[in-house]
Amino acid sequence: AQRVTQPEKLLSVFKGAPVELKCNYSYSGSPELFWYVQYSRQRLQLLLRHISRESIKGFTADLNKGETSFHLKKPFAQEEDSAMYYCALSGRGSQGNLIFGKGTKLSVKP
Amino acid sequence: EAGVVQSPRYKIIEKKQPVAFWCNPISGHNTLYWYLQNLGQGPELLIRYENEEAVDDSQLPKDRFSAERLKGVDSTLKIQPAELGDSAVYLCASSLFSDTNTGELFFGEGSRLTVL
Repeated sequence: AQRVTQPEKLLSVFKGAPVELKCNYSYSGSPELFWYVQYSRQRLQLLLRHISRESIKGFTADLNKGETSFHLKKPFAQEEDSAMYYCALSGRGSQGNLIFGKGTKLSVKP
Repeated sequence: EAGVVQSPRYKIIEKKQPVAFWCNPISGHNTLYWYLQNLGQGPELLIRYENEEAVDDSQLPKDRFSAERLKGVDSTLKIQPAELGDSAVYLCASSLFSDTNTGELFFGEGSRLTVL
């Protein structure tokens, strides 16, 4: 079964500290993985996707097929990074049907 | 560009009453999605349209939920009759057909339903 697991409901760090939001997935095939973010009082939006291998707002995520993980990392957290982060999976050929994890709330303290 | 527009933003009804949500996607986006988001959970797909055709409605509880996308533009999601467990946020999203495999969905602000 396709599943996305985000083990932490809440992650609290201090400004300038490194942050890692964990995401593990279950999928029998070659999935495409994404991170979506929802800032306070804003709509859900795409942060980054693994196929682009890009860094957005200092965040990166590496797909580890051996560990079936797609953790989101940033070396120095900023207060404006505080938000809800959702890991999502799309199976090839599923035409964009995204399966979301339950989300992790990141709180960056000053 | 206003983005994906949803209405109403908030709706409070008593159980067994009907309710309808409306969504206007980004102009030119062929694909439209309705997601359900319960408190503390991630969004879960209810139905996906390619133009006016519902290509995936396997997760839509068809006994009480219905949706339509006439003319392949805006869409309506209806619940009749509503139950207490339907209290949630109903999210609409859209994407370009060619982007469906890149995962970039554009979401609306959502319609928050409270069933008393």
